[in-house]
Amino acid sequence: AQKVTQAQTEISVVEKEDVTLDCVYETRDTTYYLFWYKQPPSGELVFLIRRNSFDEQNEISGRYSWNFQKSTSSFNFTITASQVVDSAVYFCALGRDGSSNTGKLIFGQGTTLQVKP
Amino acid sequence: GAGVSQTPSNKVTEKGKYVELRCDPISGHTALYWYRQSLGQGPEFLIYFQGTGAADDSGLPNDRFFAVRPEGSVSTLKIQRTERGDSAVYLCASSLMWGPNTGELFFGEGSRLTVL
Repeated sequence: AQKVTQAQTEISVVEKEDVTLDCVYETRDTTYYLFWYKQPPSGELVFLIRRNSFDEQNEISGRYSWNFQKSTSSFNFTITASQVVDSAVYFCALGRDGSSNTGKLIFGQGTTLQVKP
Repeated sequence: GAGVSQTPSNKVTEKGKYVELRCDPISGHTALYWYRQSLGQGPEFLIYFQGTGAADDSGLPNDRFFAVRPEGSVSTLKIQRTERGDSAVYLCASSLMWGPNTGELFFGEGSRLTVL
């Protein structure tokens, strides 16, 4: 069975604090993809990152960084020096590879991040 | 438009009625996806189109749900005999090609369906 767990339902921080959003996944696939999406109040999900299971290098993009650890099946997301505009719901998702590759993503339940000024 | 467009943005209907939700993907995107998001949950996959055909409809909850994409662009999600449990936000997404290894999904803002 495939599953994505985001144990943190809500996180509240003060602006400029660093915050890490946890994501743990389960899959039997040997090749798979992991994603993070942001859902602001307007509702549309915005793609943040895609990571192939073969690539365990951590990635940094501006204030965002991702830590992928295959040994613990985790793909955590850190925002450095958080800003009010980072307030949103963040989803971790798992995608499958193979001949039936369809973009059918399995999403976690989401973490609501509130950044207070 | 530049993004994925979904109409209506809000739909309130009575139990037992028929509903159509429309999705206009980004021009040139061949893959189109429907997801459903209940309150406080992550989106759940419903159906995926590659061109005009439904390549994977395994997420449709039952035979009251149906979707079409007759010309490979606009798609319509159809729900017959609506039930209160169908209340959710229905999200549409498109991408250039099929599969997550080709790039990200571009989502619309969703159609919020409320069944009274």
